[in-house]
Amino acid sequence: GENVEQHPSTLSVQEGDSAVIKCTYSDSASNYFPWYKQELGKRPQLIIDIRSNVGEKKDQRIAVTLNKTAKHFSLHITETQPEDSAVYFCAASIRQGTYKYIFGTGTRLKVLA
Amino acid sequence: DTAVSQTPKYLVTQMGNDKSIKCEQNLGHDTMYWYKQDSKKFLKIMFSYNNKELIINETVPNRFSPKSPDKAHLNLHINSLELGDSAVYFCASSPNLYEQFFGPGTRLTVL
Repeated sequence: GENVEQHPSTLSVQEGDSAVIKCTYSDSASNYFPWYKQELGKRPQLIIDIRSNVGEKKDQRIAVTLNKTAKHFSLHITETQPEDSAVYFCAASIRQGTYKYIFGTGTRLKVLA
Repeated sequence: DTAVSQTPKYLVTQMGNDKSIKCEQNLGHDTMYWYKQDSKKFLKIMFSYNNKELIINETVPNRFSPKSPDKAHLNLHINSLELGDSAVYFCASSPNLYEQFFGPGTRLTVL
């Protein structure tokens, strides 16, 4: 069945360093890949997304890359700050009647000051 | 002005009880969802409605019954609550087939 694998499950970086989170999806028909940030006790918030007709997208310190052939997509955060500490979820949108998200298992990012 | 809101924020109840969670969005979106986030933080879709019509129904026990009185509201009623139903339930809405915007969540604890 449809599946999204996400790695690593936890990631600690020093403030100012970069962080990379990787996801792999199984359904080649997936066409939309959002990333969500969830702070403790809060809702998941959309931080960046990419559609399947684009290979890379950047928004300030955050970028996402997509390799459709390999069915991989990655989140890159540069110049990390303590407020980047949160759980990050990737998702792949698949069509089942309508479109639905399959979420990855989450990455807990800790930025050490 | 909250875009997607849920009530209640916390719900503590005994096993066997029936409870409801309410969701409202003021964004004019056509599609709404219910997700369950368990203690390991896994986020899994439960239901989706488009303009009051059920379009996704994952393998959820039939003790869970969603209801959409209009396209701005999607409620979740749970009968005969079990310990395993303890989780955070998130409502979300979407204007299209892409972005989804989540509500603040309802933390359900079944004792």
